[in-house]
Amino acid sequence: KNEVEQSPQNLTAQEGEFITINCSYSVGISALHWLQQHPGGGIVSLFMLSSGKKKHGRLIATINIQEKHSSLHITASHPRDSAVYICAVRADSGGSNYKLTFGKGTLLTVNP
Amino acid sequence: NAGVTQTPKFQVLKTGQSMTLQCAQDMNHNSMYWYRQDPGMGLRLIYYSASEGTTDKGEVPNGYNVSRLNKREFSLRLESAAPSQTSVYFCASSEQGGRTEAFFGQGTRLTVV
Repeated sequence: KNEVEQSPQNLTAQEGEFITINCSYSVGISALHWLQQHPGGGIVSLFMLSSGKKKHGRLIATINIQEKHSSLHITASHPRDSAVYICAVRADSGGSNYKLTFGKGTLLTVNP
Repeated sequence: NAGVTQTPKFQVLKTGQSMTLQCAQDMNHNSMYWYRQDPGMGLRLIYYSASEGTTDKGEVPNGYNVSRLNKREFSLRLESAAPSQTSVYFCASSEQGGRTEAFFGQGTRLTVV
């Protein structure tokens, strides 16, 4: 079982819809990252969080450490939000752990 | 700032050929990483360098070698390319491991025929 599970794998929405992408993980963590990858493109960091909630423009990321769960929300979605969204965690196994473990990604398509 | 710069962007190799993927960051980051991305799989760590002068194996190091040339540069070498190494490779850096934001290069699409 992958340590990081994302759902859904694929998501199609109409422009303007509110979107939620979920990430569940099975280990204790010290940080969780949300990344965005456009088709054929590079990877961009959206958020890094270890507790609570962060907001940047139309994007909101939340994390519940006790439930080992994070969500990425997109409000008023737009076709330019179409991308793969990737969740990654840094396991809390001591200061020597520099590694991230990645989910397989959620492919979001927003239709006009 | 350029961020993380990877070269080349595309490469086709014949089985058995060697090549080096170059990566440089201008953010004075301590940690640098090489990942590969394959269809249906998450990013997988090949090698990482927690700080200048150190390198460590990740999940899938076989067939690869790395060099942390200085704080800025971290190269990935394929000594004898195999079709199983056909993938998209990403270099990344962060100030302090997974505790800080990660910055990625644009990727190298490598095909081994």
